[in-house]
Amino acid sequence: GQQVMQIPQYQHVQEGEDFTTYCNSSTTLSNIQWYKQRPGGHPVFLIQLVKSGEVKKQKRLTFQFGEAKKNSSLHITATQTTDVGTYFCGREMAGANSKLTFGKGITLSVRP
Amino acid sequence: NAGVMQNPRHLVRRRGQEARLRCSPMKGHSHVYWYRQLPEEGLKFMVYLQKENIIDESGMPKERFSAEFPKEGPSILRIQQVVRGDSAAYFCASSREAGSPLHFGNGTRLTVT
Repeated sequence: GQQVMQIPQYQHVQEGEDFTTYCNSSTTLSNIQWYKQRPGGHPVFLIQLVKSGEVKKQKRLTFQFGEAKKNSSLHITATQTTDVGTYFCGREMAGANSKLTFGKGITLSVRP
Repeated sequence: NAGVMQNPRHLVRRRGQEARLRCSPMKGHSHVYWYRQLPEEGLKFMVYLQKENIIDESGMPKERFSAEFPKEGPSILRIQQVVRGDSAAYFCASSREAGSPLHFGNGTRLTVT
């Protein structure tokens, strides 16, 4: 199908380590959105990337859209325990309906 | 500036009963989306609505599930004759326009006993 793939599903890091995760698609994306869901919480919008090669930063988080617009990355510098949660990437489906479909997400745990 | 409001937060139903989940979008938002999330799984799209219209219901099971977003009042996701497999968290999200970021509600955790 036209889903986005996020692998692996879980990652464990030591506090202070860097963390990178990827979101991959077999088809070209018009844009990509990233969301974070804390344990027991609801997804919260982080960023939207639209342009090829676009890079956006939010404090220790860096988001990048691939040149071919088929993948995206999220990099967290010096992870903290507050970074714990599940990070989802979402793509807009082609066609008139702009529904957003999500990857399975990557759940990050941080050892203090 | 209230966000997306969902109620109830928790809902327990016996098999065969009906479940009604409500969602009031953010002020100024006319696009509503419903997602289902099973434990340790991603967000699965169910239905996309605008006022009085179902735009895309490709993620909705064909039977027992229905959704509406009337001219007045909240959006309703209705599950008839619930079964244990319907137990999940149901999230509603809204956006100001198509393609803009989604704002999610706190979700309704449905448990079918």
